[in-house]
Amino acid sequence: QVHLVESGGGVVQPGRSLTLSCAASGFNFNSFAINWVRQTPGKGLEWVAVISLDGSKKFYTDSVKGRFTISRDNAKNTLYLQMNSLGAEDTAVYYCARVSVMNAVWNALDVWGQGTIVTVSS
Amino acid sequence: SYKLTQPSSVAVSPGQTARITCSGDNLGNKYACWYQQKPGQSPVLVIYQDTKRPSGIPERFSGSNSGNTVTLTISGTQDVDEADYYCQTWDNTAVFGGGTKLTVL
Repeated sequence: QVHLVESGGGVVQPGRSLTLSCAASGFNFNSFAINWVRQTPGKGLEWVAVISLDGSKKFYTDSVKGRFTISRDNAKNTLYLQMNSLGAEDTAVYYCARVSVMNAVWNALDVWGQGTIVTVSS
Repeated sequence: SYKLTQPSSVAVSPGQTARITCSGDNLGNKYACWYQQKPGQSPVLVIYQDTKRPSGIPERFSGSNSGNTVTLTISGTQDVDEADYYCQTWDNTAVFGGGTKLTVL
């Protein structure tokens, strides 16, 4: 079975850092681009970042550029999101999601994790 | 930045047809997809490349793309279809619509 499992969420003070992980199983991880998508409580989905299958291409939404870094370790089948200078606006459920087409970066997301909650609060 | 606009809510009676729209500049020249999200659950892809259904998605779900609007149609809507629905496209980056709450009355 194809699975993505996020971890690393928690409560963090404003200005501090946090790293999220997304463990993949059941598919050839190094053949698919992976995204981070977040959802503020009670609100809609917001795309955060995507990384290509080999990690050579990374794209971010404007609000996290310079603060967040997406990366992957294909040997460990794991995706990461390093989040620095966190603010209240970053409070959300963070999902990792697989691009549905091998070797593509921009395409529909067909496998989603269960999400991990990040709360930025003093 | 690119924006996708969805109605905040749509209501439909069981067995009727629900149509949820999503509009954006020049959307007809882009691919779009749709996700279903039920409370406390992760999103599920229900339509991709405007009109295609992933395996396991019921035939009552269909999509169309015309002009500046993509439409998700649910024929013979069932109680289990009550959920939030999000459209998505790509314009340099990925973009989600604001979501539509479908209520099955």
